[in-house]
Order: sequence, then C-alpha cells, then structure tokens
Amino acid sequence: SQQGEEDPQALSIQEGENATMNCSYKTSINNLQWYRQNSGRGLVHLILIRSNEREKHSGRLRVTLDTSKKSSSLLITASRAADTASYFCATAPPNGGRRALTFGSGTRLQVQP
Amino acid sequence: SQTIHQWPATLVQPVGSPLSLECTVEGTSNPNLYWYRQAAGRGLQLLFYSVGIGQISSEVPQNLSASRPQDRQFILSSKKLLLSDSGFYLCAWSVRMGTDALRPQHFGDGTRLSIL
Repeated sequence: SQQGEEDPQALSIQEGENATMNCSYKTSINNLQWYRQNSGRGLVHLILIRSNEREKHSGRLRVTLDTSKKSSSLLITASRAADTASYFCATAPPNGGRRALTFGSGTRLQVQP
Repeated sequence: SQTIHQWPATLVQPVGSPLSLECTVEGTSNPNLYWYRQAAGRGLQLLFYSVGIGQISSEVPQNLSASRPQDRQFILSSKKLLLSDSGFYLCAWSVRMGTDALRPQHFGDGTRLSIL
C-alpha cells in the first residue's frame, strides 16, 4: 500500500454514531496530519499529531498515533450530517527530508440524517 | 488573515492546447507552495512544490511545468495538454520555518480541468 493509506475506503453511519478511520504508513515520519474535503472543494486541515505524541483531541475529533505500528486513527464522535466528506491522512517526513506531505487516498464518510 | 486564490474554478480545453493555472496567496510571506492533482474519488498526487522564488521541485515527470515568478504566486503550465491531464488541480501553501517539520497546508478551492 501507499504511504498514508486509509481504511476503510468508504464508511456510512447514522447521525449520532461515532466514525473511526485508520491510516497506515511505511516510512519514518515527523508528524501526521488529517484533512477533510467536501465534495468539489479544497482540503481543510483538521489536526496535526507529532511523532512523539500518542493522542490528540480537537472538539469532537480524537486522533491517535502508534509509531511502532506505523498507524493512526481518526475518531469523530457524535457524528452529524455535516461531517459527510472525504478524510485524508498525510505524513510529513523527518526534518531535512523532502519538504512535502504524502497524502493517502482517503476515506469517504457518509453520515445519514 | 491569510487567503489563497486559485482560478479559474473550471476550465474546458481541447487536446493540444496550452494551459495556465494561477494561484496567489495573501497575508503571509515566504510560503511553501504546492500544486496537486486529484483524480475523481482518489487521493492527491503532488506535482510540484516550491520553497522560494524560482525554486521548483518536480515530483512527477510529465508535460506540466510550474513557475514561481513572485513570492506568493505559483503558476502551473503546459504547452500541449493531453487527455490524461484532466482532473482537479489544487494549490496549497504552508508556513516555511527553516528546517522545521512541515506545517499544515492550506488549500485553494481548486480548478476542475476537462480535456476534450
């Protein structure tokens, strides 16, 4: 799989339920970032977690990072119809490396009202 | 506050025609700038990035080129478009902070390019 590969590819849940998306990567990272994209729009940054952090919260978002397993998860609690979007993880290389993020192929989340 | 402008929003071009997409950033200086392409329902493919005026790194060899004539202006060009150039093109910027790890990127609203 590619660096920054999300699963599932698609997820459909009911409003009020929690949504969990996973991201796996292959090489060393400095940080991992999650982005959201509404249909036909640009990406919006949600949260950044550094390689020395294990968990981070922002409102209804909870991100975990396990560098030993090279994986991260994004949890959206109490989902709303407005959370319907595609979610991407992106990895940042260690300092001094290529100065660009590597994005995964995304998880399409559908929240049914 | 910082803003990023990308235009046009949609573009329909014939095969073999030239291309010029422009992206400008306001409210910040010395940003890193990026061009991505996104196929329908897929992730982002990095095309070019720039850490300064005239400094362009190409990620994918193809018939596209990029230029950065001014600090906050990034242009994506082609001399002759191919059918395979169709897609959603996104420009983004991030704060440049020496050797610090890459910061969050801020995206424009994209250009939907259709090649006929």
